[in-house]
Amino acid sequence: DVQLLESGGGLVQPGGSLRLSCVASGFTFSTYAMSWVRQAPGKGLEWVSDITNSGGSTYYADSVKGRFSISRDNSKNMVYLQMNSLRVDDTAAYYCAKRRGGPLYTWYFDFWGRGTRVTVSS
Amino acid sequence: QSVLTQPPSVSGAPGQRVTIACTGSSSNVGAGYNVHWYQQLPGTAPKLLIYGNNNRPSGVPDRFSGSNSGTSASLAITGLQAEDEADYYCQSYDSSVSGWVFGGGTKLTVL
Repeated sequence: DVQLLESGGGLVQPGGSLRLSCVASGFTFSTYAMSWVRQAPGKGLEWVSDITNSGGSTYYADSVKGRFSISRDNSKNMVYLQMNSLRVDDTAAYYCAKRRGGPLYTWYFDFWGRGTRVTVSS
Repeated sequence: QSVLTQPPSVSGAPGQRVTIACTGSSSNVGAGYNVHWYQQLPGTAPKLLIYGNNNRPSGVPDRFSGSNSGTSASLAITGLQAEDEADYYCQSYDSSVSGWVFGGGTKLTVL
């Protein structure tokens, strides 16, 4: 079975940094792209970032561009999200998701982790 | 404000049919980009329900179906059951933001 397990969330002050991790199992990790999607408390889903299977291409939502960085280590089945210059409105549950699809306009997320909570507050 | 618009809530009695609309524009659904649907049960992570407009992943009952028309998409649920009570989200690609966008979500209440 596909499993995704996020970690690294917590409480951080505005302007601070946090690194989220996601370990994957149950599929050939190096074959699939991975994404991060977040959900602010009581709000809807927001796509944050994506990385192709090789790590050669990365994509970011405008709201995090220049502050967040996605990376992966295929030897460890891990994907990371480095979050810098955190703001109060970055407070959310962050989900790691396995991404499917061919051309980018077909992309979707077929498996999700349980999420890790990030709270940005002074 | 989400790029894809969904009604905040819908409701139906057990056994009934309900539909959830997802209204987009010419830069997403209207451009022919695929629409996907997710179900989020209370306190849990989202789960893929429909992909590629009208395809169900293995294990998803055929009570769930998707359709597209113009700049809108719809999720239909027939034979409504108590366990269908959840939040539902549509998702597509949007060329104006060059990214993947979700609807604001619809809370389904089974009466």
